[in-house]
Amino acid sequence: DTEVTQTPKHLVMGMTNKKSLKCEQHMGHRAMYWYKQKAKKPPELMFVYSYEKLSINESVPSRFSPECPNSSLLNLHLHALQPEDSALYLCASSLNFGTGGADTQYFGPGTRLTVL
Amino acid sequence: EDQVTQSPEALRLQEGESSSLNCSYTVSGLRGLFWYRQDPGKGPEFLFTLYSAGEEKEKERLKATLTKKESFLHITAPKPEDSATYLCAVQFPEGSYIPTFGRGTSLIVHP
Repeated sequence: DTEVTQTPKHLVMGMTNKKSLKCEQHMGHRAMYWYKQKAKKPPELMFVYSYEKLSINESVPSRFSPECPNSSLLNLHLHALQPEDSALYLCASSLNFGTGGADTQYFGPGTRLTVL
Repeated sequence: EDQVTQSPEALRLQEGESSSLNCSYTVSGLRGLFWYRQDPGKGPEFLFTLYSAGEEKEKERLKATLTKKESFLHITAPKPEDSATYLCAVQFPEGSYIPTFGRGTSLIVHP
């Protein structure tokens, strides 16, 4: 099973709201990722967690706050977002990250976020 | 300069008309090259990982090949349900290990 699940599928929020995106995988993967994707563009990496520790933060604004409660779960907490943050937010996982081999990523279906 | 370049940007085929998509990269060597299929509004679906020049992998009507500086995704006798954006990503041997994505090829197969 190569399934990554994400909730919710769609989210509409105002600029003063606080919301969270959730991601889950049960493949035993030790690396999890958050990506942002705008229409007709490739996914853009935001964060990488490896063994539940934040490995990479791609200079993402602090209004996005990731959390990895355990090896199967990844959250993205959202606060005071801007309309330009509207996008498809993708979660992915891989067996490992940066250990020397190729890290095949498996993506979830995404959360379509609209900020009003 | 893009490190990973996909061509063409868009491709329209008739059902049954075989063709190839290209993914080229500027750095010699790689840890892995990945192909994904993405439908509108959905997450990328993993297709193949290629590791070294000369490697080939197949799945139904798709076949991925790898040389030292590029990969091809061959689509044989495509069907309308093959319509999607095909993304290539490369994990380079040096640097941060973050895969670099190409901009994708949008494929439309007409019945």
